[in-house]
Amino acid sequence: ETGVTQTPRHLVMGMTNKKSLKCEQHLGHNAMYWYKQSAKKPLELMFVYSLEERVENNSVPSRFSPECPNSSHLFLHLHTLQPEDSALYLCASSQLGGNTIYFGEGSWLTVV
Amino acid sequence: QQQVKQSPQSLIVQKGGISIINCAYENTAFDYFPWYQQFPGKGPALLIAIRPDVSEKKEGRFTISFNKSAKQFSLHIMDSQPGDSATYFCAASRMDSSYKLIFGSGTRLLVRP
Repeated sequence: ETGVTQTPRHLVMGMTNKKSLKCEQHLGHNAMYWYKQSAKKPLELMFVYSLEERVENNSVPSRFSPECPNSSHLFLHLHTLQPEDSALYLCASSQLGGNTIYFGEGSWLTVV
Repeated sequence: QQQVKQSPQSLIVQKGGISIINCAYENTAFDYFPWYQQFPGKGPALLIAIRPDVSEKKEGRFTISFNKSAKQFSLHIMDSQPGDSATYFCAASRMDSSYKLIFGSGTRLLVRP
């Protein structure tokens, strides 16, 4: 059983829709991440939250909007996405100062 | 300078053989080198990691070899098993900013029975 839980596991959305991906970690960590995994760029860091503050935004388009209400939860709000945004979105967590990043199983997103 | 280059892209090995995956990095400030294993439908999981103060680390059938002067490191899987079939990612970072892991492009390993 993974310590990082992502929902939904699969999502199909139209380009004009608004949806959200949810992530919850049960490991007591204080840093959380969103990664994008696609055939073109296998593991691409999108956002990093440390102690609930965003510390990294890797030039991600504004149609992706992260939210970290507390150290256990992370959301990725999606709106007006493009077909090329179709990918596996992985949430991860770690302990600040630690080295190991723990990944969830991902949310498969298809934009039609 | 932030890249980690991984090869090969895919690898087919017979059961019992040795699987070797190579990575090269450019940033000499990197001092933490993990390998992640990803099975289909799952997220990546840490397999084994090494710091540059040692040239080799072994855990069971998995060994990391590290060459600091060449800025290269590799994963060796001895006695490869069909259950090892997965995608393997190397990565690198600085210990003081380990959240900034830079991942390689991945190697899809298939171990044939």
